[in-house]
Amino acid sequence: DTEVTQTPKHLVMGMTNKKSLKCEQHMGHRAMYWYKQKAKKPPELMFVYSYEKLSINESVPSRFSPECPNSSLLNLHLHALQPEDSALYLCASSQGSGLAGGGIETQYFGPGTRLLVL
Amino acid sequence: LAKTTQPISMDSYEGQEVNITCSHNNIATNDYITWYQQFPSQGPRFIIQGYKTKVTNEVASLFIPADRKSSTLSLPRVSLSDTAVYYCLVGDGRKLVFGAGTILRVKS
Repeated sequence: DTEVTQTPKHLVMGMTNKKSLKCEQHMGHRAMYWYKQKAKKPPELMFVYSYEKLSINESVPSRFSPECPNSSLLNLHLHALQPEDSALYLCASSQGSGLAGGGIETQYFGPGTRLLVL
Repeated sequence: LAKTTQPISMDSYEGQEVNITCSHNNIATNDYITWYQQFPSQGPRFIIQGYKTKVTNEVASLFIPADRKSSTLSLPRVSLSDTAVYYCLVGDGRKLVFGAGTILRVKS
């Protein structure tokens, strides 16, 4: 099973709402990622979790709060978002133990959650 | 992380071989070159990774010259379903930094 699932597929929220995005993988991966992708732009890394600990935060505003409850789950809590936060939010996972001899671990991406902030 | 430069878009016809070149003049000694494919409204998908010379898998080949300042992704006999955005990434470890990507349009 090489699937990363994300829920919901679509989300519309107001600027005062609190919502959460969920990501799940059952590949035994120990690294999980959140990316943000605006229309016609490449994905931008937001957060990296390694062995359930936050290892990279790409200076993301505090209105985005990641959480990794266990090695299979990754959440992104949203609060007081702005319309410019509307985007496709992608979750990915990778093995997490590094590659013998170097290289970039293959990341497996989910289909994303398309978020619209009104 | 080394910056990558790719053509914005390319057009091809079904059955042709497509070569997409990526420039990465500032590639570091430990950096690898990785390519991802992305269809609309889907997450990117890994295609191939290499360090030097040539790497081939069931879907593509990656050619890397000795100076490693560029690389070429080769897609043999493309089909309509290969229409997608192709990203070249350079780095090591776990951090992926996507460049602008190349939009490949395959026509019948």
